[in-house]
Amino acid sequence: SQTIHQWPATLVQPVGSPLSLECTVEGTSNPNLYWYRQAAGRGLQLLFYSVGIGQISSEVPQNLSASRPQDRQFILSSKKLLLSDSGFYLCAFTPSGVLGEQYFGPGTRLTVT
Amino acid sequence: KNEVEQSPQNLTAQEGEFITINCSYSVGISALHWLQQHPGGGIVSLFMLSSGKKKHGRLIATINIQEKHSSLHITASHPRDSAVYICAVFGNQFYFGTGTSLTVIP
Repeated sequence: SQTIHQWPATLVQPVGSPLSLECTVEGTSNPNLYWYRQAAGRGLQLLFYSVGIGQISSEVPQNLSASRPQDRQFILSSKKLLLSDSGFYLCAFTPSGVLGEQYFGPGTRLTVT
Repeated sequence: KNEVEQSPQNLTAQEGEFITINCSYSVGISALHWLQQHPGGGIVSLFMLSSGKKKHGRLIATINIQEKHSSLHITASHPRDSAVYICAVFGNQFYFGTGTSLTVIP
């Protein structure tokens, strides 16, 4: 069966520190992968999506970056966190060749202090 | 203007009430999702629709493609239904509503 893992579940980091959030998918090959952010009281905002290894598209300018070193691994990073980076980060995937379906990871709650 | 608009933003109901959440969208789509987000934050997909109506237990989702409108109904609501319900559509990309926060009071 298809599953998606995301870690850590919660993270408290000081301003200016680096960030690395990891997401892995099992049970499917060549999925489309997505990183979303949900700020308090707001809807989901698409940050990055990837249709294949090394292929990253960014939806909004920011101090975050994403990488896809392996087919089923998606990493969200920052060199220096800002207070405004606080939020709930969700990784999601769409199975290969299946348009319109999306499955979400459990999320990471990031607090930048 | 958001591509996906939901109403109401907040909803409080007594246990047992029939609940309706509405979603309107402005883009061409091939699928519409109703998602449920519990206070812990995790999101699960309740329904994926491209036409007509789907039912799962006490939940019913309908979509009218011509009117670009969908509704999520909860019959005999229960406190465990308390969550944020998010409408999402897929056209050439995913668009998300800001969610409807539902509280069901015992």
